[in-house]
Amino acid sequence: GAGVSQSPSNKVTEKGKDVELRCDPISGHTALYWYRQSLGQGLEFLIYFQGNSAPDKSGLPSDRFSAERTGGSVSTLTIQRTQQEDSAVYLCASSYGLETQYFGPGTRLLVL
Amino acid sequence: EDKVVQSPLSLVVHEGDTVTLNCSYEVTNFRSLLWYKQEKKAPTFLFMLTSSGIEKKSGRLSSILDKKELSSILNITATQTGDSAIYLCAVERGSNYKLTFGKGTLLTVNP
Repeated sequence: GAGVSQSPSNKVTEKGKDVELRCDPISGHTALYWYRQSLGQGLEFLIYFQGNSAPDKSGLPSDRFSAERTGGSVSTLTIQRTQQEDSAVYLCASSYGLETQYFGPGTRLLVL
Repeated sequence: EDKVVQSPLSLVVHEGDTVTLNCSYEVTNFRSLLWYKQEKKAPTFLFMLTSSGIEKKSGRLSSILDKKELSSILNITATQTGDSAIYLCAVERGSNYKLTFGKGTLLTVNP
């Protein structure tokens, strides 16, 4: 596609449930990033995939968070046993190598 | 730990005014500084700055980096209501790829 796409655009879930957020990067982009933006906070790095290399998971806030990137393209961010503090906008970005990152529209997650 | 501080946190102006947004940073092995405009949810790329003193310009927006002062400014001239957004500054290390973002400046342009 022309840009990074994410789904769903909005997700409301109950505390304790698992959620999956999807990112479809720009075609041909080798790198994919997940960020989180909580209310009143700047964007916080979560995880980075580059080609076939092992992902950098250093930004994941807890072991309830995990992400996969299948076939070097689409990525899924999974949050298990969601907590209210997980409520945020989750943004995905992609880039060609270490070039400029382009962001998707984000998924707004609300944990009740 | 890398740090990015933006000021002001919010700003309200009238159409036609000129605004200057500030970004200061502390980062090990600086590679680049980026400005993004965020409306609704997705940040859109504005500028990437790597060299000190070279102004980048796009229409009414311009930005410049001062590596000695570890800072950058983003100028918007003749502001329009469509400029209302959060403006994010981010720095990138040379040794890796992670962006560290500031909290942003919320700009509101009133007609």
